Amino acid sequence: AQSVAQPEDQVNVAEGNPLTVKCTYSVSGNPYLFWYVQYPNRGLQFLLKYITGDNLVKGSYGFEAEFNKSQTSFHLKKPSALVSDSALYFCAVRAYMDSNYQLIWGAGTKLIIKP
Amino acid sequence: DVKVTQSSRYLVKRTGEKVFLECVQDMDHENMFWYRQDPGLGLRLIYFSYDVKMKEKGDIPEGYSVSREKKERFSLILESASTNQTSMYLCASKLRGLAGSYEQYFGPGTRLTVT
Repeated sequence: AQSVAQPEDQVNVAEGNPLTVKCTYSVSGNPYLFWYVQYPNRGLQFLLKYITGDNLVKGSYGFEAEFNKSQTSFHLKKPSALVSDSALYFCAVRAYMDSNYQLIWGAGTKLIIKP
Repeated sequence: DVKVTQSSRYLVKRTGEKVFLECVQDMDHENMFWYRQDPGLGLRLIYFSYDVKMKEKGDIPEGYSVSREKKERFSLILESASTNQTSMYLCASKLRGLAGSYEQYFGPGTRLTVT
């Protein structure tokens, strides 16, 4: 079955430290991978995507993600966390299902950055 | 900037009522989507539409219907609201296929409570 897993419900990081939010996927064919962020009481905002090419993709707000085909992972990273990065993060993968392309979403990871 | 708007941020309805959630996008996107977001479950696709008057069922269409009479507007209808439909509802849009980017753009969400 095609799926996305975000193994951590919550990640706690001290401000200034590097952060990683994990995502693994299972999909047929070449994966198109996405990260979105949801700030409190807001809709989802697109952060970055991997379609093809360089395995390290850079996105908004200083975030980056590394595509690892052998480990079927697409972890979100940032070298130095800010308190304002505290939010809910979703990983998604494009999958072909029922004759259409759809996004399959992870359950989300709550990121808490402590001052 | 892409703008996706939803008619209400918060809505409280009684069991059995018919509920309309409206979504409008201003970027001439062909594809529009309705999701519901519940803690620990991520986003689940209810319905989507690739064109005017066209609709496709997502993962959880039961108890919902949709209407797309104009390209910019996609409505979600709860025919007879039930308490298990209490949730956050998110609308999204995107350009079709290779003509544009692959990411979806989201509205702010409607938090619906059914009592």
